[in-house]
Amino acid sequence: DAGITQSPRHKVTETGTPVTLRCHQTENHRYMYWYRQDPGHGLRLIHYSYGVKDTDKGEVSDGYSVSRSKTEDFLLTLESATSSQTSVYFCATSGGTGGETQYFGPGTRLLVL
Amino acid sequence: SQQGEEDPQALSIQEGENATMNCSYKTSINNLQWYRQNSGRGLVHLILIRSNEREKHSGRLRVTLDTSKKSSSLLITASRAADTASYFCARGEDAGGTSYGKLTFGQGTILTVHP
Repeated sequence: DAGITQSPRHKVTETGTPVTLRCHQTENHRYMYWYRQDPGHGLRLIHYSYGVKDTDKGEVSDGYSVSRSKTEDFLLTLESATSSQTSVYFCATSGGTGGETQYFGPGTRLLVL
Repeated sequence: SQQGEEDPQALSIQEGENATMNCSYKTSINNLQWYRQNSGRGLVHLILIRSNEREKHSGRLRVTLDTSKKSSSLLITASRAADTASYFCARGEDAGGTSYGKLTFGQGTILTVHP
């Protein structure tokens, strides 16, 4: 497995509070991605990064922001959590010798009450 | 939505049988990938087929791609109970080198293999 960790693995928070999820990789992969996974929707891309400080929006970016200050870390922030952001969040990376293959972290289960 | 469509949504078979899952998409692709997800875990890459390829094999997996029909299929032969998982197709964009490796995932097929 590529060395991808996510923290926290589980979080319960209240509506209106900010939440930050962290993705850490040890593979020196150039590209990093945040997805959310919901029943009936598969995985949907929230934001992605193509280098340090280079990020762009994905399919479902409203309400989310990201930052990448170094190669190994990609942070996803929910500025003001809403119940619709209750989901499982996955980080993924690509760009190593595996080319276009993406390597996934274990996921973070977020419940917004 | 630009997501691919997967069919069937759920598939239940007996050990030893073959399992076939299909994926359709709407726009041009650079590559198409299949991933597996065990319950409560992250996705794991299975196989990648490029737009100029028609068939690819990896162990008990066989993937076909028909770009004229914008469809792909994943065949798992001689299935085992351990193959029970969700399977996702993912479309790699044909964006002239600026796709940044982005993938668009289908909704997945839930495969259950009974011992």
